[in-house]
Amino acid sequence: ETGVTQSPTHLIKTRGQQVTLRCSSQSGHNTVSWYQQALGQGPQFIFQYYREEENGRGNFPPRFSGLQFPNYSSELNVNALELDDSALYLCASRRGRDTDTQYFGPGTRLTVL
Amino acid sequence: GESVGLHLPTLSVQEGDNSIINCAYSNSASDYFIWYKQESGKGPQFIIDIRSNMDKRQGQRVTVLLNKTVKHLSLQIAATQPGDSAVYFCAENTAGAGSYQLTFGKGTKLSVIP
Repeated sequence: ETGVTQSPTHLIKTRGQQVTLRCSSQSGHNTVSWYQQALGQGPQFIFQYYREEENGRGNFPPRFSGLQFPNYSSELNVNALELDDSALYLCASRRGRDTDTQYFGPGTRLTVL
Repeated sequence: GESVGLHLPTLSVQEGDNSIINCAYSNSASDYFIWYKQESGKGPQFIIDIRSNMDKRQGQRVTVLLNKTVKHLSLQIAATQPGDSAVYFCAENTAGAGSYQLTFGKGTKLSVIP
């Protein structure tokens, strides 16, 4: 176990709805990244938060947004859900912005109907 | 082996044999590489990493080799065990030195035959 936790484990939404996914980083880690993993694919970087500010973003539209809180936990929000948003959403944390080893949580499986 | 953009390759290995999983990375400026293991229904699990100023790094039963000339990375697993069965991903830091953004390949599925 990495110490990174995510909730919920599974979620079913319908197209057009909004969803919020949550992540608690490993103790002592102040940098959190979010990834989307479609079935049979590698994880794709969505964005990263360092000390409550977005610090890097992948090729995802603005309807994907996030927050990081003072305790370094984080949320991923997705508005106007589309069928293609169905995926495993992974949160990963690192000790600091300039450290490399990143540890993943178990993920949230989102299904959009 | 594996390369970004190809379908998921599969490697079948007899228990006790050594496994070699290959990865072709995309960016010659990438300065950091990492291997993850992902079991079905779980998040990726860190295995080993290597910086671009190194050619080889060893861990417990695992070795990572980096060939920057041909942009190739490999993961060697010694004495492969049934618990090693999983999908293995290589990832590179494509954001460059001082920044951090991991780009993952599609993975290689390792099946261990008892």
